[in-house]
Amino acid sequence: QVQLVQSGAEVKKPGASARVSCKASGYTFNNYAIHWVRQAPGQRLEWMGWSNAGSGNTKYSQNFQGRVTITMDTSATTAYMDLSSLKSEDTAVYYCARDAYGFGWFQDYWGQGTLVIVSS
Amino acid sequence: EIVLTQSPDTLSLSPGERATLSCRASQSVGSGYLAWYQHKPGQAPRLLISGASSRATGIPDRFSVSGSGTDFTLTISRLEPEDFAVYYCQQYGSLFITFGQGTRLEIK
Repeated sequence: QVQLVQSGAEVKKPGASARVSCKASGYTFNNYAIHWVRQAPGQRLEWMGWSNAGSGNTKYSQNFQGRVTITMDTSATTAYMDLSSLKSEDTAVYYCARDAYGFGWFQDYWGQGTLVIVSS
Repeated sequence: EIVLTQSPDTLSLSPGERATLSCRASQSVGSGYLAWYQHKPGQAPRLLISGASSRATGIPDRFSVSGSGTDFTLTISRLEPEDFAVYYCQQYGSLFITFGQGTRLEIK
């Protein structure tokens, strides 16, 4: 069965970077894109970007002004999301999710979420 | 960027009642590229319906959608206790995916 298992919670200081991992299993990793979506406390879900290891395509939300990078390790079937220059507003639960078709559409399987707290 | 506005923000109903949730887009969502998700506290969002009308695996037929263009509706025909959650619409018809602000469906 499809599973996405994310890394554990992190506490970071403002200005630092955070990396969240997403280990995929139960399907052919290169055939599907992985999205990253976050939810800050009391806020709506916010799409951050997606990447497809098979096609090499990546797309990022404009809202992060180049601070987010998604990388795909096909040998480890793991996706990574790096967020730099952290601010307190980046405190959120970060989710990885599989794209149902591999090219930036909706998400059919989700990871359990990773809490990132940004605090001095 | 396509902005999605959901209404109402909160809907208070009883089990067995019918729920109608609305999602309005700031511009036409091409080819019905709209999905709905259910989100419960402490859990990951769950895909309900995609492509404006296709239920995901395991989603009961009491969930249905209608609409096109800029106005979409999620209907839950008879509410079960497990249906009380936050519901989000999402458009994926443009380069940048966006979500609505969510409708909280609470027990009356």
